[in-house]
Amino acid sequence: SAVISQKPSRDICQRGTSLTIQCQVDSQVTMMFWYRQQPGQSLTLIATANQGSEATYESGFVIDKFPISRPNLTFSTLTVSNMSPEDSSIYLCSGRVDPDYRYTFGSGTRLTVV
Amino acid sequence: GENVEQHPSTLSVQEGDSAVIKCTYSDSASNYFPWYKQELGKRPQLIIDIRSNVGEKKDQRIAVTLNKTAKHFSLHITETQPEDSAVYFCAASTGTYKYIFGTGTRLKVLA
Repeated sequence: SAVISQKPSRDICQRGTSLTIQCQVDSQVTMMFWYRQQPGQSLTLIATANQGSEATYESGFVIDKFPISRPNLTFSTLTVSNMSPEDSSIYLCSGRVDPDYRYTFGSGTRLTVV
Repeated sequence: GENVEQHPSTLSVQEGDSAVIKCTYSDSASNYFPWYKQELGKRPQLIIDIRSNVGEKKDQRIAVTLNKTAKHFSLHITETQPEDSAVYFCAASTGTYKYIFGTGTRLKVLA
């Protein structure tokens, strides 16, 4: 399975600013996803990162708030824009290598907005 | 859309006993069901998975069963050990490959 490096591992940010999270995969993955996990909670899918086209967002998440890039099959970024304390959470990327159904997760980014 | 319910939310067992976690899904098109273990501060790790054409799968002390008719699947851990203590998440996926996760079960194995 693929190995995903995610950075930063944690950050403390001022409200109103933006943070970009990066995920680098050691092999080409057909699909990449971004999740949010609030403390003690489950994983909520933010969007599917599509290579070379706009991401597909889940209900409740919008591109202006969470712009995503995926320029190739091994790299993706998620930006959390105009942050507020409610955005404090863990953000995780994941990837899937064809033809396997299995996901591998990045190590996560713990974001605190003050 | 797909919804996955998971029970119980917390589970305490004595070391050596068995633990069972149950999930129910809503979308009958779901065809893949992984289970992830997440230790504190770490990423979720896949521990076992099952596809819809199989009723049961076992890997050493861990097994998963699937009942497609009832739309539920369960994780069974036998001979539990303290290192099994973690949060466990079930998930369901359709042909879109998106995972919808259950709410999680915090398992505590008491020594």
